[in-house]
Amino acid sequence: QSALTQPASVSGSPGQSITISCTGTNSDIGRYDFVSWYQHHPGKAPKVMIYHVTNRPSGVSNRFSASKSGNTASLTISGLQPEDEADYYCNSYTSSFTYVFGTGTKVTVL
Amino acid sequence: QVQLVQSGAEVKMPGASLKLSCKASGYTFTSYNVHWVRQAPGHGLEWMGIIKTSDGTIFYAQNFQGRVTVTMDTSTSTAHMELRSLTSDDTAIYHCARELDSSFYLDNWGQGTLVTVSS
Repeated sequence: QSALTQPASVSGSPGQSITISCTGTNSDIGRYDFVSWYQHHPGKAPKVMIYHVTNRPSGVSNRFSASKSGNTASLTISGLQPEDEADYYCNSYTSSFTYVFGTGTKVTVL
Repeated sequence: QVQLVQSGAEVKMPGASLKLSCKASGYTFTSYNVHWVRQAPGHGLEWMGIIKTSDGTIFYAQNFQGRVTVTMDTSTSTAHMELRSLTSDDTAIYHCARELDSSFYLDNWGQGTLVTVSS
């Protein structure tokens, strides 16, 4: 199972919106609505930001939204803030009863 | 409160094995699956395997098949992950994380265990 493909880095100025893509196959993202997104600050435990493609856990800002089309999922951060600077990973359930993470995207707030 | 407390840092020789633990508290252990995820220096998160605590079903990532074993002890609410035939590529931070059974996402993570493989 190869890692899902994400851009290595995305940047934006405070207040702007950015979108991170996550491309898989019809054995993972394209087959199941079990895509989640994690925010990871170095040295800390990852935090789930989105689950089941579009759902935000309680306590996660509504500046975070997500979607899926075919084999590609996307995470959008609106109104970018300095604290959003982190690494972001997508994750999907797969047809092999396993899970796979994306390659990770470093978000930089300029 | 919910906690996943992992065992301490380890230094291993190439070829050795390691066994990490992840002790859960603050919730019903058998209602949440336990996943193992690692991050090597300069690399991203890598999913390793899952144990379904309700019935002991286990699935491993293909990359680790034959080299990893995940077990659990429901009496102590603890999951374990054994990795064998270590190489320097196994130097990483290893996390356990929980998933409400059949929710398909990880809602709580352990603090991570640093494993260094070096001669």
